[in-house]
Amino acid sequence: RKEVEQDPGPFNVPEGATVAFNCTYSNSASQSFFWYRQDCRKEPKLLMSVYSSGNEDGRFTAQLNRASQYISLLIRDSKLSDSATYLCVVLSKSPASGTYKYIFGTGTRLKVLA
Amino acid sequence: GAVVSQHPSWVICKSGTSVKIECRSLDFQATTMFWYRQFPKQSLMLMATSNEGSKATYEQGVEKDKFLINHASLTLSTLTVTSAHPEDSSFYICSARILRGELFFGEGSRLTVL
Repeated sequence: RKEVEQDPGPFNVPEGATVAFNCTYSNSASQSFFWYRQDCRKEPKLLMSVYSSGNEDGRFTAQLNRASQYISLLIRDSKLSDSATYLCVVLSKSPASGTYKYIFGTGTRLKVLA
Repeated sequence: GAVVSQHPSWVICKSGTSVKIECRSLDFQATTMFWYRQFPKQSLMLMATSNEGSKATYEQGVEKDKFLINHASLTLSTLTVTSAHPEDSSFYICSARILRGELFFGEGSRLTVL
């Protein structure tokens, strides 16, 4: 089982739709959680950190469920410019080495259609 | 957000030559930087963790003699791909972590080895 898992998609949604992505993680000792956006042939860019109480930034809402070990990202009123790959990133402590590492999901592709 | 700059953005070289990629944190000090490579339609793969003033920590399967990492100052890490071969062609990305734990990425360097 992968440490961080995401549905690769693609999710094809019409403009204005609401879309939600989930990301599950296997290490219960994971410390921090993030959503990044990566456009084709570009570097990942931080979309938002995910806090235990959940947080919102404009049309984007992130939630963390520690009991079920998943985080979610909700995008409301989708725009064409939201088309990208959304990466889930988890900061986890390696059981073997005791060091913290950022673990990346494979990403979920979103295509917003006109 | 924090700014990480990577140079060059594109490089084309002949097989057997060495290529150096620079990663700079422009507005903060980074004791740790990370180097990744990404093949088309795949996720980022961590190659190594660059530690200021000490040796880099390489991930399993990454040849330390082929991918030389130097982190001589708090704002600069370099990755040198030595004796490059066509299979080394990839998108190389660096990142640095700020105090809050968020990662910020350089723009990436696309290497093509002929």
